[in-house]
Amino acid sequence: DQQVKQNSPSLSVQEGRISILNCDYTNSMFDYFLWYKKYPAEGPTFLISISSIKDKNEDGRFTVFLNKSAKHLSLHIVPSQPGDSAVYFCAATGGGADGLTFGKGTHLIIQP
Amino acid sequence: DAGITQSPRYKITETGRQVTLMCHQTWSHSYMFWYRQDLGHGLRLIYYSAAADITDKGEVPDGYVVSRSKTENFPLTLESATRSQTSVYFCASSGTGTNYEQYFGPGTRLTVT
Repeated sequence: DQQVKQNSPSLSVQEGRISILNCDYTNSMFDYFLWYKKYPAEGPTFLISISSIKDKNEDGRFTVFLNKSAKHLSLHIVPSQPGDSAVYFCAATGGGADGLTFGKGTHLIIQP
Repeated sequence: DAGITQSPRYKITETGRQVTLMCHQTWSHSYMFWYRQDLGHGLRLIYYSAAADITDKGEVPDGYVVSRSKTENFPLTLESATRSQTSVYFCASSGTGTNYEQYFGPGTRLTVT
């Protein structure tokens, strides 16, 4: 039973346009949400996070939006750049020593 | 070097053998974690540790053993490797702040033949 779902296995976006990656969750106990970026043969790299008490967090080209009532979050990347091509994982946690629960990932491809 | 390291990076072993994957972090983070990544599953938590000598099971702990005698090390042992344990293994660590960010090592690709 997947608690964190990323329903798009892949997404292709033109360079310079906005990339929107989506994530849904089912566990109401999740208190904190994170996005990770992963290149082949490397470990995941932390990108941006959001607490459940907020609905938006911004860091440069990256913005994460959280809709608690819909149990939905999204990552916006604008403008998209070639180096953004990677697999993006959505993750959630209840906090403390809890591990992260990950979605299956979305492969973002930025086309020139 | 500062950060989180894993060894070996690649390992091939036979069914039934014992194998240990090493993880070392230099940040003195309290929390450490082991995940495995398989096609179609994303990353799944195997074991985690809140401090030295404190460990607990994650989502998929069967067939694995961990120990944490020192804060900086968190080895993962497959006592009798099976083909279903062929996977990429990631170690991660995090501090005790409230942002819950975990920092990942480069991974160990394990093949069980």
